[in-house]
Amino acid sequence: DTGVSQDPRHKITKRGQNVTFRCDPISEHNRLYWYRQTLGQGPEFLTYFQNEAQLEKSRLLSDRFSAERPKGSFSTLEIQRTEQGDSAMYLCASSLIGGGADTQYFGPGTRLTVL
Amino acid sequence: AQSVSQHNHHVILSEAASLELGCNYSYGGTVNLFWYVQYPGQHLQLLLKYFSGDPLVKGIKGFEAEFIKSKFSFNLRKPSVQWSDTAEYFCAVKPSGGNTPLVFGKGTRLSVIA
Repeated sequence: DTGVSQDPRHKITKRGQNVTFRCDPISEHNRLYWYRQTLGQGPEFLTYFQNEAQLEKSRLLSDRFSAERPKGSFSTLEIQRTEQGDSAMYLCASSLIGGGADTQYFGPGTRLTVL
Repeated sequence: AQSVSQHNHHVILSEAASLELGCNYSYGGTVNLFWYVQYPGQHLQLLLKYFSGDPLVKGIKGFEAEFIKSKFSFNLRKPSVQWSDTAEYFCAVKPSGGNTPLVFGKGTRLSVIA
């Protein structure tokens, strides 16, 4: 399967701990997006990269959140000093920009539970 | 800022019934429109998309959607639903050609009963 993959699929942590998630996009996709989804809501944009450059960050992305895509391939999303309100599904998507199309393909998500 | 409204939170249909899920967006310019589906326990999958051209778009599994620019709508339809269509459906929009992310609606949960 050459789709978007995310690791881990589930993460349970205690409040105040740091967590890091990884996303591997579809190979050759140059854009990578992070979204957060809570119960009863659609995905909400957090940030995105084009190649290794982080082009936009949502106001939802507090200072405790940081994302990287060091070589323009996989990406990591780190949350420092987790809070209970960070409990959510964190989704990664990738797309290939070019030819006017930007269709995003989503991974399975990482479900974070902060106790 | 763009926004997307999906008016139906939960729809319950019997098998073979026809389906129409509403989606309205707010944005004055040219848009790209998408419907994604999330089956129980699975990740978001693209159902269909509209970029330009024929406003009636056909997707996978017998779904279609019609873009009505004057109504800012992109409703999803299927003439006859199956139990396997039970899922959550999300409408999403982004300005075409722009470096902006997708804006999603809150989703509509579809339950199909035998």
